[in-house]
Amino acid sequence: DVKVTQSSRYLVKRTGEKVFLECVQDMDHENMFWYRQDPGLGLRLIYFSYDVKMKEKGDIPEGYSVSREKKERFSLILESASTNQTSMYLCASSQQTGGRAGHTQYFGPGTRLTVL
Amino acid sequence: RKEVEQDPGPFNVPEGATVAFNCTYSNSASQSFFWYRQDCRKEPKLLMSVYSSGNEDGRFTAQLNRASQYISLLIRDSKLSDSATYLCVVNKVNTGGFKTIFGAGTRLFVKA
Repeated sequence: DVKVTQSSRYLVKRTGEKVFLECVQDMDHENMFWYRQDPGLGLRLIYFSYDVKMKEKGDIPEGYSVSREKKERFSLILESASTNQTSMYLCASSQQTGGRAGHTQYFGPGTRLTVL
Repeated sequence: RKEVEQDPGPFNVPEGATVAFNCTYSNSASQSFFWYRQDCRKEPKLLMSVYSSGNEDGRFTAQLNRASQYISLLIRDSKLSDSATYLCVVNKVNTGGFKTIFGAGTRLFVKA
């Protein structure tokens, strides 16, 4: 079974704090993703990575950065947290193949971040 | 206009009912299609892929109409445990690989 874990289920931070969200997958997947999910807006892609040390901006990268130093780990960083970054953050991973199976994304349990 | 659009619902149905969800996508270059299920306060999980010929998995049937850029999910004989949010997902080829786009989801409540 694919397992994607995230460092925290719930996190409360203050405006201006630096926040680190960690994600680890144990299936040797090449692709990793960070999304945020807000009511009525669905899942929005923040950043993704196809390989170690590689990153690509998603649809809403502003205010975020990422780090992928090891294949199994993808970190999301909020340099200076703001109240509009209060959200559910979901990490996902997938294989990098040409077939359909390679496009299935496996999600972590999510981190509910509240910025006060 | 969103790239993937779904009726947000909620759909409230009694146990045993048949319910259908629709999803439209705007990019004709989209290549593969999926339905994910997300339970309350849980992460999304793949429910089924959607093939052009249509496919069935037990009580669930998925259909794709490329000409109309339309995807559907039919649930027969609804169970209480089917209560969840159903996400329509589309993959399209993008520079450097592919891009996955999630719909905002359709909420289903199945009542006894």
